Amino acid sequence: AQSVSQHNHHVILSEAASLELGCNYSYGGTVNLFWYVQYPGQHLQLLLKYFSGDPLVKGIKGFEAEFIKSKFSFNLRKPSVQWSDTAEYFCAVNALSSGGSYIPTFGRGTSLIVHP
Amino acid sequence: ETGVTQTPRHLVMGMTNKKSLKCEQHLGHNAMYWYKQSAKKPLELMFVYSLEERVENNSVPSRFSPECPNSSHLFLHLHTLQPEDSALYLCASSQDWRNTGEERYRELFFGEGSRLTVL
Repeated sequence: AQSVSQHNHHVILSEAASLELGCNYSYGGTVNLFWYVQYPGQHLQLLLKYFSGDPLVKGIKGFEAEFIKSKFSFNLRKPSVQWSDTAEYFCAVNALSSGGSYIPTFGRGTSLIVHP
Repeated sequence: ETGVTQTPRHLVMGMTNKKSLKCEQHLGHNAMYWYKQSAKKPLELMFVYSLEERVENNSVPSRFSPECPNSSHLFLHLHTLQPEDSALYLCASSQDWRNTGEERYRELFFGEGSRLTVL
C-alpha cells in the first residue's frame, strides 16, 4: 500500500524566513501529488497540485513545490513566510489502491507556526 | 463557505449511544469520502462512495456505518463507540472521473469536520 511521509511534524519560524516542508511517498507507479492546507478553525483546502509536465509547480499565496521523481519527493517551499501562513500542511498522493481505485492518501501533517 | 457542510460540528456521546454525522455537498460532485483525523496520525480514509456506490472501505470497524442516499448527502452512523474513536471526522467530495480513467486527477473539497468525543 502507498504511504506518505512528512518528516517535519512541527516547524516554528519567524516572519520572512524561508520554508521547506518535506514530503516523501512510497509508490512506484504514476502518481498525482497535492499539498493541502488547514488554517486554524478552517477546512482543509488545496494549496497546489502536480499531475505532469514542469516538476516545479506554483500554488496560491506564493507557495511552490518541486516533484523529484528519483527521490519520490514533493517538497513544499516558500521564500518568505508570513504570520498568516500559520497552519497545518498536508501532503497527499493519488495512487492506485488495492481495490483498484485511485484514493488520496495523506501524510500526518506538519504544523507551521510563524512568529510575527 | 466551503460547499461541503457537516453537522453537527461537535458531538459528545456515551459508548452506548447511537448518533449520526451528516455531510452535504453543494458542488455537484459525485464522489464523497469520510476521513478520520486524529492527533499525531495521518488522515485515515474510512469510506469512499462514488455515484452512491461504496467503492472503498478501509477496514473500518462495524460500529461505523456509512450511508449515501444520493450524490449530495453522506451519513456516518455511530453505534457503541470506544473512547479511542474520539477524533475529528472529515467529509470530502470530489468529481469522480472513474469511468473515464482520469480519477487520479481528483482534488478533494473538505467540510469543516465534526469533532466527536466519546466518553
